[in-house]
Amino acid sequence: EAGVTQSPTHLIKTRGQQATLRCSPISGHTSVYWYQQALGLGLQFLLWYDEGEERNRGNFPPRFSGRQFPNYSSELNVNALELEDSALYLCASSLLSGTGINQPQHFGDGTRLSIL
Amino acid sequence: SQQGEEDPQALSIQEGENATMNCSYKTSINNLQWYRQNSGRGLVHLILIRSNEREKHSGRLRVTLDTSKKSSSLLITASRAADTASYFCATDRAGANSKLTFGKGITLSVRP
Repeated sequence: EAGVTQSPTHLIKTRGQQATLRCSPISGHTSVYWYQQALGLGLQFLLWYDEGEERNRGNFPPRFSGRQFPNYSSELNVNALELEDSALYLCASSLLSGTGINQPQHFGDGTRLSIL
Repeated sequence: SQQGEEDPQALSIQEGENATMNCSYKTSINNLQWYRQNSGRGLVHLILIRSNEREKHSGRLRVTLDTSKKSSSLLITASRAADTASYFCATDRAGANSKLTFGKGITLSVRP
């Protein structure tokens, strides 16, 4: 089975620009999650989509947004890029239990976003 | 506030030794999960333990959960150089649609 795929692998932008990151989940998984992993800060939860709807959102400004498409793939958009947005952005997917309780998440290898 | 916090932050052991990593959390949880991350890669799920379970095994991994102390431990027995990685615990607060919150991770180095 194909794993979670993310594109691009690396992305270099300048301050003020906009970035779009893409994620394809494992076939059959309806939930997609986005995380930011900056140096020294661990994984910070960004967004959780399931069946096209936003289920939960982390403590990030509105310039971080995303969406999930009917085929369950997802995009993360970051507007008005700032230097501190430089990080590894990880996408994960999972099945969603009927109770909404977290199941094991399967991660892609991330997009390395560098802001110059 | 950070839900899961691991300790130690870094651990260096000799191949063949056991490695024990601990995780503490603050609120009631649905389940607790452990993940591994090799340098430059995504996280790999290792094991999930539900709040009503006390111990779980998977190969060389043993996880315990003490909900009264709000803590968990991950034991890797007979470590190998390939176990060198960062290890994270992740928790979700009791209830539905709760996000998974990761700790900052433990860096494990296994010397050959």
